[in-house]
Amino acid sequence: SNVLTQPPSVSVAPGGSATITCVIDIVGGKSVHWYQQKPGQAPLLVMYYDSDRPSGIPERFSGSNSGNTATLTIRRVEAGDEADYYCQVRNYGGDPDVIFGGGTKLTVL
Amino acid sequence: QVQLVESGGGPVNPGGSLRLSCATSGFAFRDFYMGWVRQAPGKGLEWVSYISGSSVDKYYSSSVRGRFTISRDYGRNSVDLQMSSLRAEDTAVYFCARLRANYYYFDYWGQGAQVTVSS
Repeated sequence: SNVLTQPPSVSVAPGGSATITCVIDIVGGKSVHWYQQKPGQAPLLVMYYDSDRPSGIPERFSGSNSGNTATLTIRRVEAGDEADYYCQVRNYGGDPDVIFGGGTKLTVL
Repeated sequence: QVQLVESGGGPVNPGGSLRLSCATSGFAFRDFYMGWVRQAPGKGLEWVSYISGSSVDKYYSSSVRGRFTISRDYGRNSVDLQMSSLRAEDTAVYFCARLRANYYYFDYWGQGAQVTVSS
């Protein structure tokens, strides 16, 4: 099965570090992208090609991809980082062609 | 700046049709792939469809294939999603997004259009 598995929730205290994982069960190496979505808003790209940050995304956000697990790390977490985070890959030659993870709710305590 | 604005959402009866449109501005429309992603109430993101800059390549998720059609209007710089044979499970917010075709990620998103399929 072609799936991306994320933990449903992650909690962190302000100023701490949050780690959100995405387990990739897809044949072949994949570049992973990450989106942040706050309630009532459109998703926002926060990381692409595993570890590249779009313009305007703070350096506190970083990404990595090793083995079958991609990770989004947010350092010095702020209240404004509270949101749902989704990983996404292109499933080359597969169906569906684009896959999103189930999402992780980041709660800032 | 890049802007994507969806329109055309609303209520529709099961089995009915609806056409969503996404007006774009701030970039060379023909140079970019465009896609649609939806989000059912309280659920996660689900890719629906995308189209290449030339309109030659069009891809659909299995859940909408044969019922939805994506197209581009180069005169209006817009991308449309024609939805037919709508089902209750198609109820969602539909987001238009620009797709970067090197690594297939969505770098800009519209604010979304609500589609509600109910009798």
